[in-house]
Amino acid sequence: AQSVAQPEDQVNVAEGNPLTVKCTYSVSGNPYLFWYVQYPNRGLQFLLKYITGDNLVKGSYGFEAEFNKSQTSFHLKKPSALVSDSALYFCAVRDAGSARQLTFGSGTQLTVLP
Amino acid sequence: DGGITQSPKYLFRKEGQNVTLSCEQNLNHDAMYWYRQDPGQGLRLIYYSQIVNDFQKGDIAEGYSVSREKKESFPLTVTSAQKNPTAFYLCASSIDRSLNYGYTFGSGTRLTVV
Repeated sequence: AQSVAQPEDQVNVAEGNPLTVKCTYSVSGNPYLFWYVQYPNRGLQFLLKYITGDNLVKGSYGFEAEFNKSQTSFHLKKPSALVSDSALYFCAVRDAGSARQLTFGSGTQLTVLP
Repeated sequence: DGGITQSPKYLFRKEGQNVTLSCEQNLNHDAMYWYRQDPGQGLRLIYYSQIVNDFQKGDIAEGYSVSREKKESFPLTVTSAQKNPTAFYLCASSIDRSLNYGYTFGSGTRLTVV
């Protein structure tokens, strides 16, 4: 079975400060990991992914994420937050050995304060 | 432009009525998925299809039905057996079953029972 946890329902950060949105996962095989962003009443947009290779992955809009196998984490980061980054963020995982679909976390609402 | 089109954007259903949500893609993707989104619960998989004329139940398939007669189309019917259908429904596709590229999402349909 595969699962993903986003321990924070809400993250608030001041504009210009660094932001982190946390994600931990559980799989029995190798993980495929993804971050998506959702704006109100819209579908999800792809930000970045980890399949294999470098543990630090860079994605859209200045976001990056670090894959940590020992801690089974894939936290999303950005060095300097913008008000326009305010949105709902989802982490997703696929067990590369067995699963045919992505499992999503419950989402983290990011609010960047001006 | 290539993408996934979901229609309608908003849908109202009376008690005991079946309704069908449309999902069409012109990306030539093999696999298609339906998720349900409720506040604080993330995305839950309803059905998925990896090839024409074949589909599989997800985690919450009860009260829903699908068909995959064409590669481009994956409609979802919400039947009267679904006791709590009010939610935001998202359709997604992936280029193939490997999920190396994750999903592309439609803009969603918000279904409300009146």
